[in-house]
Amino acid sequence: DTAVSQTPKYLVTQMGNDKSIKCEQNLGHDTMYWYKQDSKKFLKIMFSYNNKELIINETVPNRFSPKSPDKAHLNLHINSLELGDSAVYFCASRFGTAYEQYFGPGTRLTVT
Amino acid sequence: GQQLNQSPQSMFIQEGEDVSMNCTSSSIFNTWLWYKQDPGEGPVLLIALYKAGELTSNGRLTAQFGITRKDSFLNISASIPSDVGIYFCAGSSSWGKLQFGAGTQVVVTP
Repeated sequence: DTAVSQTPKYLVTQMGNDKSIKCEQNLGHDTMYWYKQDSKKFLKIMFSYNNKELIINETVPNRFSPKSPDKAHLNLHINSLELGDSAVYFCASRFGTAYEQYFGPGTRLTVT
Repeated sequence: GQQLNQSPQSMFIQEGEDVSMNCTSSSIFNTWLWYKQDPGEGPVLLIALYKAGELTSNGRLTAQFGITRKDSFLNISASIPSDVGIYFCAGSSSWGKLQFGAGTQVVVTP
């Protein structure tokens, strides 16, 4: 199946821990995104990479560090997790100059 | 920054009824997109609009790009139970960046 996939689907961890979320797309897209969806379902962009280059970096704590090893993969590493980091994190991708973004299934992060 | 307002926040409708929701922006957008999110899933693209005044359909869904370029509407005709979910509008005025509305929760009762 051609899609945007994320691992893990669920992540439960304690405050202070460091964790990573991974995203892969096999759609042949060249731009990938991380979004955070809070408990009120609001979607907010965090980062975007185009061909491994960071092009969007919203106001996000520097505990969050994205990494794109190639244009098909975008990972998100979070240091020193806090309770407020609990949310659903979505990866998305886009091709060329198209506006349409395609989303992964999300990773629900719960920090206890 | 841009403000994007989506309404209504939620809708409780009976099966067979039509649904309407809209988004308005304080600034002009070049593109409007409409997504649907089912519980536990990611948003799925329903309709994309590229030109002011454009009216586009996808099955029972119809969306319009407002002529002022500051608003968009989504209509769902003859709702069915699987229409339940959260519908998001998203607008873009710059290449590569979408701004999302807060979503409209649709609940369909038999």
